[in-house]
Amino acid sequence: GQQLNQSPQSMFIQEGEDVSMNCTSSSIFNTWLWYKQDPGEGPVLLIALYKAGELTSNGRLTAQFGITRKDSFLNISASIPSDVGIYFCAGHRAGSSGDKLTFGTGTRLAVRP
Amino acid sequence: NAGVTQTPKFQVLKTGQSMTLQCAQDMNHEYMSWYRQDPGMGLRLIHYSVGAGITDQGEVPNGYNVSRSTTEDFPLRLLSAAPSQTSVYFCASSYQGPDQPQHFGDGTRLSIL
Repeated sequence: GQQLNQSPQSMFIQEGEDVSMNCTSSSIFNTWLWYKQDPGEGPVLLIALYKAGELTSNGRLTAQFGITRKDSFLNISASIPSDVGIYFCAGHRAGSSGDKLTFGTGTRLAVRP
Repeated sequence: NAGVTQTPKFQVLKTGQSMTLQCAQDMNHEYMSWYRQDPGMGLRLIHYSVGAGITDQGEVPNGYNVSRSTTEDFPLRLLSAAPSQTSVYFCASSYQGPDQPQHFGDGTRLSIL
């Protein structure tokens, strides 16, 4: 089965720094979503993108739906310790193969105070 | 509202044993799904359901069965546990489809000896 390629795999940054991560696919998606997973918990939705080129913000988080529909980007500005966790992208494309969500491999973020 | 409830939280099985992982949601969501999470591989879809009485396979369905007799419940059955099924299992639900915000449970940590 297809998985989305996320990069970087992990990041270790200083508090206050900005963070950028991206997700790429060989296939087109109609929807891109970004989730965050805290240790010992299930993922929680951060941002949903429904249109190619769309740029959406949620507080310090900004995500973009790539024009080619094969990629998406997430930026976190002025990182804080509670940003620690694993960030997953996910793509959706309903079709003959079913109504499924495909997740990326995740970006693990650590923040140094 | 409890959201998505998974039981048990932890389980250890011997190879060849069978068991059922329970998942219940109280949000009247139509779409429910099961994922497994393994290190470095993100979340992989096992099975999903678009409504009561309807189920379909995801990326990694072998060794697992599901049923959806009610809107609220979506149990996952391991038929004959194998060490390769050692993983963290997450159940998720959304109002109508995977392109809408998925609400995840806290996971079941399963070890097969």
